[in-house]
Amino acid sequence: QVQLVESGGGVVQPGGSLRLSCAASGFTFSNYGMHWVRQAPGKGLDWVAIISYDGSREHYADSVKGRFTISRDNSKNTVYLQMKSLRLEDSALYYCARDWGEKQLEYYFDDWGQGTLVTVSS
Amino acid sequence: QSALTQPASVSGSPGQSITFSCIGTSSDVGGYTYVSWYQQHPGKAPKLMIYDVNNRPSGVSNRFSGSKSGSTASLTISGLRAEDEADYYCSSYTTSSTLVFGTGTKVTVL
Repeated sequence: QVQLVESGGGVVQPGGSLRLSCAASGFTFSNYGMHWVRQAPGKGLDWVAIISYDGSREHYADSVKGRFTISRDNSKNTVYLQMKSLRLEDSALYYCARDWGEKQLEYYFDDWGQGTLVTVSS
Repeated sequence: QSALTQPASVSGSPGQSITFSCIGTSSDVGGYTYVSWYQQHPGKAPKLMIYDVNNRPSGVSNRFSGSKSGSTASLTISGLRAEDEADYYCSSYTTSSTLVFGTGTKVTVL
């Protein structure tokens, strides 16, 4: 059974940094791309970033490009999201999600974590 | 990377069919078949309902169907049930190798 557990959320001041983690289990982690998706309270879904199964490709939403970095450690079955220069509008519940495709990116997902809450506030 | 445009709300009576749209551009919906739909109940993670425009994952009711014409995708829910009341989001792959979600549609079962 696929399980994704996010951690690392919290309260941070504008301009600050935070690193989110997503620990995966129940599948061969190194075969799947991973996404980060966020949702501000009461708002819609907002795609953040994707990393390929082997870490060779990364893509970002324009709103986070240059500030956020997605990475993965296949030996630890974990994907990360390093967030810098945080803004008020980055406040959201951050989900990690497993890409549908095995060893290829399909850009849709049916396995999500429970999310970790990031609050950017002064 | 502007969000895809969806109607804010749609409603229908039990047993009815409803269809709502997801409007994009030639750089996303119009250019690819990587269009998906997600259902989200309050406080829950989204659930994949449709992928590749009109394919259902195993376990998703055949009351849900998708289509696309040009830069507009659509989701149809047939035989509307109380449990279908939720928020629905479309998504599409883009020319920038990114993903964009729709603005979301709240479905109300009257």
